[in-house]
Amino acid sequence: GDSVTQMEGPVTLSEEAFLTINCTYTATGYPSLFWYVQYPGEGLQLLLKATKADDKGSNKGFEATYRKETTSFHLEKGSVQVSDSAVYFCALTGTTGGGNKLTFGTGTQLKVEL
Amino acid sequence: GAVVSQHPSWVICKSGTSVKIECRSLDFQATTMFWYRQFPKQSLMLMATSNEGSKATYEQGVEKDKFLINHASLTLSTLTVTSAHPEDSSFYICSASPRVFDTEAFFGQGTRLTVV
Repeated sequence: GDSVTQMEGPVTLSEEAFLTINCTYTATGYPSLFWYVQYPGEGLQLLLKATKADDKGSNKGFEATYRKETTSFHLEKGSVQVSDSAVYFCALTGTTGGGNKLTFGTGTQLKVEL
Repeated sequence: GAVVSQHPSWVICKSGTSVKIECRSLDFQATTMFWYRQFPKQSLMLMATSNEGSKATYEQGVEKDKFLINHASLTLSTLTVTSAHPEDSSFYICSASPRVFDTEAFFGQGTRLTVV
C-alpha cells in the first residue's frame, strides 16, 4: 500500500537558519503530494502541494518539488523564524479508492530558537 | 477557501459514557468525510471514511461498534465514541473536500478527548 517516510525529529534550528525536512513516498500511479503544518493545540493546515512530477509547491517561504525519479518531496525554507515552530506532516493522496484519503508521514517537529 | 468546522474542540468525559463529535462543512457539500485519530507525538491514522447516506467504511483494526459514524447530510458527519475508556483519549480530526476527486482536503480544528 501507499506509505510516506519522513525524517525523525525534533529538528532544532536557530532563527534564520536553512531548513530541510526530508520526505519520501511509496505509491502506485501518480499521487498528489502535500505538506501540512500543525501548530500547538490546533488542527492541520495545508502548507503547500504538488499534483504532478516536477511541480514545485510554495507558500510562506517554504518550497517542495515533486521528484518522481527519487520519489521525494523534501520541504525547504531558506530562513526560518520562531513562528515556524510546529509539526510538519508530509502526505499523499492515493490513486485508488477514495481520492481524498490521505496517507501521512509520522510528522517532524521543528523548534526554532532565537 | 473551504471551511470545515469541528465541535467540540475539547471534551472531558467519565469512563463508560459516550461522546459525540461533529464535523461540518460550512460553505460546501461533502459527499465524503474522513475521520482521523492522532496519538501524542504521532502521526494521523485514518479511522474511517464517512459516506453521506450510507454506512461508513472503517479501516482495519478500528472497532465499528465503538466508533459510530453517521453522515446524515451533505454538510454534517458525526463520530460517537461509545462507552469511552481512558485508552480512547486522543486527538480526533475530520477532513472533507468540496469535490469527490479534489486533491485537497480541508481539516477541522480537531477535538481533544480526555476520558477520566
